[in-house]
Amino acid sequence: SYELTQPPSVSVSPGQRARITCSGDALPKKYVHWYQQKSGQAPVLVIYEDNKRPSGIPERFSGSSSGTMATLTISGAQVEDEGDYYCFSTDNTAVHRVFGGGTKVTVL
Amino acid sequence: QIQLLESGPGLVKPSETLSLVCNVSGDSISNSIHFWGWVRQPPGKGLEWIGTIYHTGSTYHNPSLKSRVTMSIDTSKRQFSLNLSSVTATDTAIYYCTRLRLGATPWFDFWGQGTLVTVSS
Repeated sequence: SYELTQPPSVSVSPGQRARITCSGDALPKKYVHWYQQKSGQAPVLVIYEDNKRPSGIPERFSGSSSGTMATLTISGAQVEDEGDYYCFSTDNTAVHRVFGGGTKVTVL
Repeated sequence: QIQLLESGPGLVKPSETLSLVCNVSGDSISNSIHFWGWVRQPPGKGLEWIGTIYHTGSTYHNPSLKSRVTMSIDTSKRQFSLNLSSVTATDTAIYYCTRLRLGATPWFDFWGQGTLVTVSS
């Protein structure tokens, strides 16, 4: 079955840049979307189609993708950005969808 | 503003069928740019895609769940449903109903608040 691989955790100091990677064999042909989940809450979309930001999402969130790896970047991380981040995409069949394992972001 | 509200039993016995309904308000369940889905999250673990359903009734589900998943949609009631049969303790999770945006690679653009389902005798 298709998998998306993320690092389990990322730590960053307030105001610094955090990068979260997501790798998958189908990514050269498929978009990646990113979700933020804070403790006890439903996930929230922060980036869609590799690099588009939904309305209401701060500009410090950005995305990129190259080859088999996509990256979510938080530029100038804030304490309120702490949480779990998941990438999401589909396999080459475009039918089966998959989440990455999630990355816990700590800002301290 | 769209609202998705999951409903169903919070406790299901092992080997029985988990049944959930998602009521959609604030949006047409039959619009051509969205379709609908289910995602679950076991306690302390990551997100897992369960399946997706179009307003036409076409469905796709996670192969890892084999044939245990059945989904349906009732456009007149503005709701869609999930049945998961032969449940075990590993099916204990928060279950989210979601809306997906059509695109080259569709994405979940809106989530319900989620409902915890515990499988236990």
